[in-house]
This record gives sequence, structure tokens and C-alpha cells, in this order.
Amino acid sequence: DQQVKQNSPSLSVQEGRISILNCDYTNSMFDYFLWYKKYPAEGPTFLISISSIKDKNEDGRFTVFLNKSAKHLSLHIVPSQPGDSAVYFCAATKGGKLIFGQGTELSVKP
Amino acid sequence: EPEVTQTPSHQVTQMGQEVILRCVPISNHLYFYWYRQILGQKVEFLVSFYNNEISEKSEIFDDQFSVERPDGSNFTLKIRSTKLEDSAMYFCASSPDSGKQETQYFGPGTRLLVL
Repeated sequence: DQQVKQNSPSLSVQEGRISILNCDYTNSMFDYFLWYKKYPAEGPTFLISISSIKDKNEDGRFTVFLNKSAKHLSLHIVPSQPGDSAVYFCAATKGGKLIFGQGTELSVKP
Repeated sequence: EPEVTQTPSHQVTQMGQEVILRCVPISNHLYFYWYRQILGQKVEFLVSFYNNEISEKSEIFDDQFSVERPDGSNFTLKIRSTKLEDSAMYFCASSPDSGKQETQYFGPGTRLLVL
């Protein structure tokens, strides 16, 4: 199931700089997109979401951008902190099951 | 802050045995889900449950799987006769009533190893 794709398996960023995580999707019927953060041996933790009728949602250091014409969303973390180091999953849904991307492992170096 | 809990954290079983994975969703949530993640692969949807019945299930969720909400708090996933390929992390999730239904909150997972 390749409806949601994260093409970068890993990303390394310096502390204090911006982290940009990308996600592409193929199904234009999705109406909600979410980002989750996951540490090893833990469940995914909800970070931020965006409805398909919006193009931006911001919550503290986290901003999600949605470009529907390109079927692309991104998560911006500013400023990045070492505690942000984790695997980040994007997910999409249409009123039910979440379809996840493969994840991007973010490493924030001090 | 309320959270989804799951027990056990780890389960080792022999092929062909039955296992029951348990979850306590967040108390005022009405939608319940099971997902799994095989090592190195994506998190995959298994089943969703609402109003005491399955609302959607994936092709993975065959006759060997069942879910139940035996009381007001627990939500269980049963695998009747485990196979080697059932080895995975199993995550339970729940979401509130309409309005924020799309936001699912996950438990810490149960690591199932089938030998």
C-alpha cells in the first residue's frame, strides 16, 4: 500500500536549526493528515494534524503545511532540539483507518 | 493526561497457540483500533471498532483474528492460532467522539513473538 510515502528514511539537523520532514500521498480522497513521533519500543505519539481544507496548521515549534495540488505535506520543527530525535510518521485518513508512511528518522545533533 | 494502556508489553508464544492482547482505551473515547508493525515495516491498520461492532477491517484481519469489548473499559485482540508471520508490535489506539475522531491516540504496544 503506497498511498502515503516518506521518501527520506533519515534526516540529520543541527540543534537550533529547522527540520523539514516531507510526505507525499496519492489518494485525493484523504480528508485529514497527521504527524506522529515515535521512540523505540513506544507507541506513536500524536504531534499535529491538518484538515484537507486548510493549508497550514501551527502548534508551538511544529507547523504542518499541506499542498493539495502537489499531494504533499511537510512538517517543520523550529528550532530543532536534541529531544526531537525520533522517527516521524505521517498518516492520512478519510474518517477511519490511518494509513502511515514508512517514517523518517530525525537526528538532532547538539 | 489520560493515555491508552496495553498489556502485556511482551508476549512470547508457540506457533498455533492462541493469544489475547489487551488494551484500555482513553475513557471517554468511542472509536477503537488495532494496528501492527512488523519489524522494519510500516504501521498497518488491522481493524476499527465502534458501537460494539467492527466498522472496518483490513485484509490482514482474517478469520484468525477477533476483537471484543468485554466490559466498559477493555478492548481485546485475539489471535486464535498464531503463525510465525504474526510476530510484530501490536498497537491499540482510540479516538474521541465526532469532531476529533480523526486523531487517534496510541498505546505503547505489545511485542508479540511467535516461535
